[in-house]
Amino acid sequence: EVQLVESGGGLVQPGGSLRLSCAASGFTFSNFWMSWVRQAPGKGLEWVANIKEDGSKTYYVDSVKGRFTISRDNAKNSLYLEMNSLGVEDTAVYYCAREESFGSYNVYDCWGQGTLVTVSS
Amino acid sequence: DIRMTQSPSSLSASVGDRVTITCRASQSISTYLNWYQQEPGKAPKLLIYVASTLQSGVPSRFSGSGSGTDFTLTISSLQPEDFATYYCQQSYSTPPYTFGQGTKVEIK
Repeated sequence: EVQLVESGGGLVQPGGSLRLSCAASGFTFSNFWMSWVRQAPGKGLEWVANIKEDGSKTYYVDSVKGRFTISRDNAKNSLYLEMNSLGVEDTAVYYCAREESFGSYNVYDCWGQGTLVTVSS
Repeated sequence: DIRMTQSPSSLSASVGDRVTITCRASQSISTYLNWYQQEPGKAPKLLIYVASTLQSGVPSRFSGSGSGTDFTLTISSLQPEDFATYYCQQSYSTPPYTFGQGTKVEIK
């Protein structure tokens, strides 16, 4: 069974840091781009970042550039999101998602259950 | 970045109704358009990709259409388990792969 399990969320003060992890199982992790998508309380989905199969290419939404770093360890079947200089606007449930490709078309066909990050003093 | 706009933001409908949700892109995205369903407290679930291709296991009452800038998601006969929030997402060219703001389908 394909599974993604996030961890590492919690309460952090403004300006603080947090590292999220996503453990993948049930598929060949190194064959897929992976992404982080977040959802602020009561709000819609926001694409955050993604990373190529071998980790050689990454993309970020403008609001997190320079503060967040996406990375992966294919030997450990794990995806990470290092978050620095956190602000209250970063409060959200963070989802890990697998990016399936059909030719040039990319879709998120598998999602984790999410981990909640709360930025508050 | 490409902006995705859904309408309506919410709607009330009854079981058995035909429901249509629209999604408009700020520039042409060909058919690089996906639809997701999210139930309260759960992760999103892929419904449709490449604008009109039904994901495996998704009931045939769901359908998608459109290309360029205008897209629609149609539920032909609304079922109790379909009351949820629906999001469109574009995956055209390079990221960010932006989402629409969502459409909440509620029980009338």
